[in-house]
Amino acid sequence: DAGVTQSPTHLIKTRGQQVTLRCSPKSGHDTVSWYQQALGQGPQFIFQYYEEEERQRGNFPDRFSGHQFPNYSSELNVNALLLGDSALYLCASSYQGGVTQYFGPGTRLLVL
Amino acid sequence: EDQVTQSPEALRLQEGESSSLNCSYTVSGLRGLFWYRQDPGKGPEFLFTLYSAGEEKEKERLKATLTKKESFLHITAPKPEDSATYLCAATLIQGAQKLVFGQGTRLTINP
Repeated sequence: DAGVTQSPTHLIKTRGQQVTLRCSPKSGHDTVSWYQQALGQGPQFIFQYYEEEERQRGNFPDRFSGHQFPNYSSELNVNALLLGDSALYLCASSYQGGVTQYFGPGTRLLVL
Repeated sequence: EDQVTQSPEALRLQEGESSSLNCSYTVSGLRGLFWYRQDPGKGPEFLFTLYSAGEEKEKERLKATLTKKESFLHITAPKPEDSATYLCAATLIQGAQKLVFGQGTRLTINP
């Protein structure tokens, strides 16, 4: 049973560029959440997708946007990258009605 | 504001030296309290979910407990492979399944 997968594993971008990160949820899961984790900090909630719609959003600017596809996979897009966007981006999946979220390995983004 | 605070920030123990990690929470209606383990550069690995005060769960050398204001992760006779960052998180009754995380406790077990 495949767990949560994310791609790419690492990414280097320059300020002002745009980036797309991808996530495939654990088998049987229909809900995807995205988190940003700065070095030495706990993950911060960005947003959650269910039935291809954004259900809840954390305190992140509109530069952060997402999408969920009919097969439940998801993308996170970040526009106009800033140095402060450098972080580990984590995807977590769960099923609607469940409580526990399972995390993928993350994508390490470095903005230069 | 919903908040989760972990202490200590870092803890260094000798192999076999038992201890506890603390997680205090101030949230508007707790739905679940979670413990995750995170190794450097990797995603958090699920350990436990606790739902109500008085609940306890165990897995190998780890035991998690929950009161109305805090949770403890007890580590009994730890081994070097237990070295990791341990994250505590809460999810709320209201709203979606958003996790509110603490900053983590970085645990090092010396052989």
